[in-house]
Amino acid sequence: AQTVTQSQPEMSVQEAETVTLSCTYDTSESNYYLFWYKQPPSRQMILVIRQEAYKQQNATENRFSVNFQKAAKSFSLKISDSQLGDTAMYFCAFMKPQTGANSKLTFGKGITLSVRP
Amino acid sequence: GAGVSQTPSNKVTEKGKYVELRCDPISGHTALYWYRQSLGQGPEFLIYFQGTGAADDSGLPNDRFFAVRPEGSVSTLKIQRTERGDSAVYLCASSLSRNYEQYFGPGTRLTVT
Repeated sequence: AQTVTQSQPEMSVQEAETVTLSCTYDTSESNYYLFWYKQPPSRQMILVIRQEAYKQQNATENRFSVNFQKAAKSFSLKISDSQLGDTAMYFCAFMKPQTGANSKLTFGKGITLSVRP
Repeated sequence: GAGVSQTPSNKVTEKGKYVELRCDPISGHTALYWYRQSLGQGPEFLIYFQGTGAADDSGLPNDRFFAVRPEGSVSTLKIQRTERGDSAVYLCASSLSRNYEQYFGPGTRLTVT
């Protein structure tokens, strides 16, 4: 079974600064997907960024980028130029793709990020 | 277009009662997932439908929990003989077939008193 660990329960960052959220995972699979989801107080989970394990290049989406270290089983999220709207819970998630089918997500416990004005 | 919707937004029930939680996926999404999120935790997988059939129900905690998706669109999660430990936010997500991006609804907060 796969496990996802987010060991930092809370982080705080000044607006416009950069912050890095950590995530480690454990799996025996070689092919998988990793995700970061954002959950604001509205409860709606929003996909921030996705990384395919077979890709060596780190994924980027505007101000969001990841540092994917496959050998170390580490998947951190870097948020640049932090904005007040980034305040939310952030979840790291793992997916083992199934041939010809969809698959479930395994989530970490999450980290609460607060952006200070 | 419309996103995933869930009703009710909040549900308070007494211990021992039966509840139904509804999920309306994005139109055309064949895959539908239910997750449960306890306070201070990440979502935990319950069940996944591909079309009308449950493709993976390995996350259902016991036989008090049951879900259906009779026409391959709307799904209902049913909980019998509710217990206080069932209190959580129940999240629904949908995705296109063989697409790894899941779109989540706002969840139903269930409180069992």
